[in-house]
Amino acid sequence: GENVEQHPSTLSVQEGDSAVIKCTYSDSASNYFPWYKQELGKRPQLIIDIRSNVGEKKDQRIAVTLNKTAKHFSLHITETQPEDSAVYFCAASRGSYIPTFGRGTSLIVHP
Amino acid sequence: DTGVSQNPRHKITKRGQNVTFRCDPISEHNRLYWYRQTLGQGPEFLTYFQNEAQLEKSRLLSDRFSAERPKGSFSTLEIQRTEQGDSAMYLCASSTPGLAGDISYEQYFGPGTRLTVT
Repeated sequence: GENVEQHPSTLSVQEGDSAVIKCTYSDSASNYFPWYKQELGKRPQLIIDIRSNVGEKKDQRIAVTLNKTAKHFSLHITETQPEDSAVYFCAASRGSYIPTFGRGTSLIVHP
Repeated sequence: DTGVSQNPRHKITKRGQNVTFRCDPISEHNRLYWYRQTLGQGPEFLTYFQNEAQLEKSRLLSDRFSAERPKGSFSTLEIQRTEQGDSAMYLCASSTPGLAGDISYEQYFGPGTRLTVT
């Protein structure tokens, strides 16, 4: 089955800096890679996703890059703000197969 | 609120008791998933329904766990003879089936039910 590794487990940055979270996956057939943000005590919510037919996708301060050859994808957050502080999860899936989640990265943005 | 809802939000029970959780998915979504999440971990898959059919169950799902989705609408997850190791957040998610083919879609999560077994 699919195996998703996520690094780092904790990331501490100063407000205004950039943050990068990386994930690797094992199943070369995976073709959908969502990122979820989970604030303390709240539900995971999708912030951005990418499919295997593109290499990069941006949405304002958030971007995701995908390297299919190396089987890794990354979340980039620019100009971080304190409200970006949360746990971020990556996932990988294909078709109707169950998505496999990474263990999460706790992002702390210091004002 | 037209999102995924779960009840109860919190449940404290004594070891050995049975508990049941409910999930109401987004109405037009026919896929429903149950996950378990413990502190510092990502959601771990438990089971998955497409309409009323339970299509997949994780090896994590022991015979003390059972899930149903009668009529393909809401779903219930029951844990019998609870153990302290069952303490976790139980998340439900739903998604649209989308078009036929090898396409995955976003999952919409509920707020979760936090179970504490004493």
